[in-house]
Amino acid sequence: AQSVTQLGSHVSVSEGALVLLRCNYSSSVPPYLFWYVQYPNQGLQLLLKYTTGATLVKGINGFEAEFKKSETSFHLTKPSAHMSDAAEYFCAVSVTTSGTYKYIFGTGTRLKVLA
Amino acid sequence: DGGITQSPKYLFRKEGQNVTLSCEQNLNHDAMYWYRQDPGQGLRLIYYSQIVNDFQKGDIAEGYSVSREKKESFPLTVTSAQKNPTAFYLCASSIRGDAYSYNEQFFGPGTRLTVL
Repeated sequence: AQSVTQLGSHVSVSEGALVLLRCNYSSSVPPYLFWYVQYPNQGLQLLLKYTTGATLVKGINGFEAEFKKSETSFHLTKPSAHMSDAAEYFCAVSVTTSGTYKYIFGTGTRLKVLA
Repeated sequence: DGGITQSPKYLFRKEGQNVTLSCEQNLNHDAMYWYRQDPGQGLRLIYYSQIVNDFQKGDIAEGYSVSREKKESFPLTVTSAQKNPTAFYLCASSIRGDAYSYNEQFFGPGTRLTVL
């Protein structure tokens, strides 16, 4: 069965420091992978997605993620954290069952940026 | 601007009452979804609909009901049978919901339901 694991429910970084949010997946077929961001009391917004092709994916707000098949990982990074990056981040994998697809979301990582 | 709207933003319900959460999209998407979000649990799928007049149960459908009479609308009813309905509810849509599993989902702003 497909699943997504996000290591660390809370991550704190200093402003200007590297952001690294971890996501590992399990899938019996090549996965489609996504990162979403959620600000308090709002919906989710797509940051980036991996479907096929280049394994390093660039997204909005300076974020990027690298698909590593050998490690079954899709970690999210940003070279320099900004205060506005404080939010909750969700990794997701899409799966196809019975001719339809649905997402499986990780449990989320709340990012805190320290001044 | 195209997008997804959910109303109301905050909803209070007394125990034993049914309530309906609204979700409307003007993105011309075929597929729509309802998720429930609880702290530390991520998003869990309640119901989804690939096309008008058709919908399927997700992982936690008990105590909920939906309808899809129009392409742009996918209301969710939280019934009195749902034992712990206090949560944040998110509606989403995607261009299509069949085997093309690379389509991203677009989310509404959510409705926070509190049972008094």
